Amino acid sequence: GQQLNQSPQSMFIQEGEDVSMNCTSSSIFNTWLWYKQDPGEGPVLLIALYKAGELTSNGRLTAQFGITRKDSFLNISASIPSDVGIYFCAGDSGNTPLVFGKGTRLSVIA
Amino acid sequence: EAGVAQSPRYKIIEKRQSVAFWCNPISGHATLYWYQQILGQGPKLLIQFQNNGVVDDSQLPKDRFSAERLKGVDSTLKIQPAKLEDSAVYLCASSLGKGETQYFGPGTRLLVL
Repeated sequence: GQQLNQSPQSMFIQEGEDVSMNCTSSSIFNTWLWYKQDPGEGPVLLIALYKAGELTSNGRLTAQFGITRKDSFLNISASIPSDVGIYFCAGDSGNTPLVFGKGTRLSVIA
Repeated sequence: EAGVAQSPRYKIIEKRQSVAFWCNPISGHATLYWYQQILGQGPKLLIQFQNNGVVDDSQLPKDRFSAERLKGVDSTLKIQPAKLEDSAVYLCASSLGKGETQYFGPGTRLLVL
């Protein structure tokens, strides 16, 4: 089945640093989604991307839908302690269920 | 607006026992999803309902898992009998319709001993 390769698996950064994570797939997706999951909670949608090449921002978050439709990245600028959590990418091909990556665990050191 | 509600939040059972989880989606959301999230993995869809009908249950282990959404609102997911590998977080999500943004509940953490 479809799989998403998400990297890095985990990151330890200093408060104030910028963060970048990405997701790649061997399959084409129509939609790329980025979620954040806090401990003990369900994932929360951060950004949705609907068109190849699309660059979308949400506050300090910026995400892009790759031109090939097989990849996406998420950047977080000027990280703060509440950015700690697990970030998941998810791809939607329209015909099959959402496919999630394995997540990037972000730790922020104050 | 109230979010997706799930109960219980935690459950510990022994293998071969049965367990049931309950989900109350956001009011007015026609589509309901059950996901299984194993530790260190992303969520994996088990079953998707549109109102009270099943849209996709291709990844549901039907020999032991069952789910229903009889009145098109609340839903229950049952495992009978449970196996050790069923230990996971079971997430419920809902959306206005198919393809719309999914909103997740807090999940039920299941530990099978």
